[in-house]
Amino acid sequence: GAVVSQHPSRVICKSGTSVKIECRSLDFQATTMFWYRQFPKKSLMLMATSNEGSKATYEQGVEKDKFLINHASLTLSTLTVTSAHPEDSSFYICSARDRALGDTQYFGPGTRLTVL
Amino acid sequence: AQTVTQSQPEMSVQEAETVTLSCTYDTSESDYYLFWYKQPPSRQMILVIRQEAYKQQNATENRFSVNFQKAAKSFSLKISDSQLGDAAMYFCAYRSGSAGGTSYGKLTFGQGTILTVHP
Repeated sequence: GAVVSQHPSRVICKSGTSVKIECRSLDFQATTMFWYRQFPKKSLMLMATSNEGSKATYEQGVEKDKFLINHASLTLSTLTVTSAHPEDSSFYICSARDRALGDTQYFGPGTRLTVL
Repeated sequence: AQTVTQSQPEMSVQEAETVTLSCTYDTSESDYYLFWYKQPPSRQMILVIRQEAYKQQNATENRFSVNFQKAAKSFSLKISDSQLGDAAMYFCAYRSGSAGGTSYGKLTFGQGTILTVHP
């Protein structure tokens, strides 16, 4: 089956620093990747849609200058949390979509970010 | 905009019994897809079942089946012969069937239902 990986699985950083999270589709080409944020026992909140080779589309209320998304290749998208603050601590999940696989979205295992 | 509502924050079931999780949605579209995802304690999202709106037949995957009522905009998940490994948070999700647009393919999730399975 289609596999999506995320790296790192967990990261702890100091307030004011930037953190990059990678999302990779391992065995398929993902024309579109999605980034979600999830708080404990809550639903997934879509942050942005990342299309290969073009600018990401951010959902309302998501700061594009704070959450930088790059989708430079068909297998890799990155989310950079800039000038992180404790309120950015959360679980970040990516998913990837491949039309050749019936348009199903496949999810990465998530990244737990803790900002001290 | 589409909305998805799961009105049961928590549900519990005895092992080997059957449980039904509820989901309703609101949309003005005629072409769309509905999904149930499972998120176990590992937090890896796992696709349980998928339903195309244009199909009248309810989707089934082994012990998992749905009751898709298009007119009522209802999409419930039935888990038969519940197992301890079914314990997880379950999310109902909607996806538009319309092609095109920069957010094509994005999922709208419900609030989730935490399922506990008692031995």
